[in-house]
Amino acid sequence: NAGVMQNPRHLVRRRGQEARLRCSPMKGHSHVYWYRQLPEEGLKFMVYLQKENIIDESGMPKERFSAEFPKEGPSILRIQQVVRGDSAAYFCASSPDGSYEQYFGPGTRLTVT
Amino acid sequence: EDQVTQSPEALRLQEGESSSLNCSYTVSGLRGLFWYRQDPGKGPEFLFTLYSAGEEKEKERLKATLTKKESFLHITAPKPEDSATYLCAVQGNSGYALNFGKGTSLLVTP
Repeated sequence: NAGVMQNPRHLVRRRGQEARLRCSPMKGHSHVYWYRQLPEEGLKFMVYLQKENIIDESGMPKERFSAEFPKEGPSILRIQQVVRGDSAAYFCASSPDGSYEQYFGPGTRLTVT
Repeated sequence: EDQVTQSPEALRLQEGESSSLNCSYTVSGLRGLFWYRQDPGKGPEFLFTLYSAGEEKEKERLKATLTKKESFLHITAPKPEDSATYLCAVQGNSGYALNFGKGTSLLVTP
């Protein structure tokens, strides 16, 4: 049973470019969560999605960040016009219906130069 | 606002030297308290969920306990492979986000 998959594992972008991070949840999981881990800080919640719906985006920056989880395909976290402060590890987690336990992927490490 | 504080920030143990990690929390209606292990460069690995005060769960050398204000992760006779950062998170009744502490970095030396 494959775990949560994220790609790419490492992503380098220049300031002003766009970053697209992908997350495939565990088989049978229909709930996806995105978290960000800044250097020397804890994991911070960004957004919670179910298929085709954003349920809670209270942790998402108001500008430049967006997320989707289409009916087919992986969940995408999109960061437009990246800045140095966006450099961080971005983790995706998934959970099945009826469970509060979240299982994390290996993360995407974004570096903005 | 939910708050999670973990202590100590770092802990160094000799192999076989048992100890406990602390997680203090405030939350408006606890849905669950979660423990994860994170190795460098990897994602958090799920360990335990605790739902109510008095609950305990065990896995190999690890045992997690929960009171109304804090949780402990007890490590019995640790081995070097237990070295990692241990994360505590709470989920309140008002949402689904996990609110994480900053973690305890554990180093077990032979």
